Amino acid sequence: QVQLQESGPGLVKPSRTLSITCTVSRGSISNGGFYWTWIRQRPDKGLEWIGHIFESGTTYYNPSLKSRLSISLDTSKNQFSLQLTSVTTADTAIYYCAALRHGVDIWGQGTKVTVSS
Amino acid sequence: DIQMTQSPSSLSASVGDRVTITCRASQGIRIDLGWYQQKPGKAPKRLIFAASSLQSGVPSRFSGSGSGTEFTLTISSLQPEDFATYYCLQHNTLPWTFGQGTTVEIK
Repeated sequence: QVQLQESGPGLVKPSRTLSITCTVSRGSISNGGFYWTWIRQRPDKGLEWIGHIFESGTTYYNPSLKSRLSISLDTSKNQFSLQLTSVTTADTAIYYCAALRHGVDIWGQGTKVTVSS
Repeated sequence: DIQMTQSPSSLSASVGDRVTITCRASQGIRIDLGWYQQKPGKAPKRLIFAASSLQSGVPSRFSGSGSGTEFTLTISSLQPEDFATYYCLQHNTLPWTFGQGTTVEIK
């Protein structure tokens, strides 16, 4: 079954761009009908849907982040990525990638990102 | 955005207890709702999809019900491994939104 692994920078300075990649293994990002999804969890807070991308490349973003957010697919590397520009301390969180569809729910382990100077 | 209001925000219960968690949507979402369990330091894990369908591999003591605006997650007999935080997620309307979570603690 599909497995996911996030890789992120750990620490990002304020106003910079945050980039996180999710590598998909034991399956292809180009089929399966998944919502390739990003979700985050700020410290001691609940879960927040960031956005998702389909294998077609169609994206859907949370309006609260849309002006700063980009989600993309790299089918050659079997990866999907998140870029968040102009980060602030409010973007400090654990970022999870997930593959979701009816009856299937697969998450990565999460990558912790701290925004600090 | 659709607001998902979970209640209670926390509860204390004993092993063997029946536990019920409710999620109310600010507008109708049909059955486009999932229930998730999260343990400290771990990624969330879906228990229920489509409001009442049990995710493969999840014990049958977990069940979900509801449609429209009111949904319930029930644990029929609480086990030690069930102490965790539970979230609902609506995926009927963008942006998808989670409830604020219910923490189930040991009494």
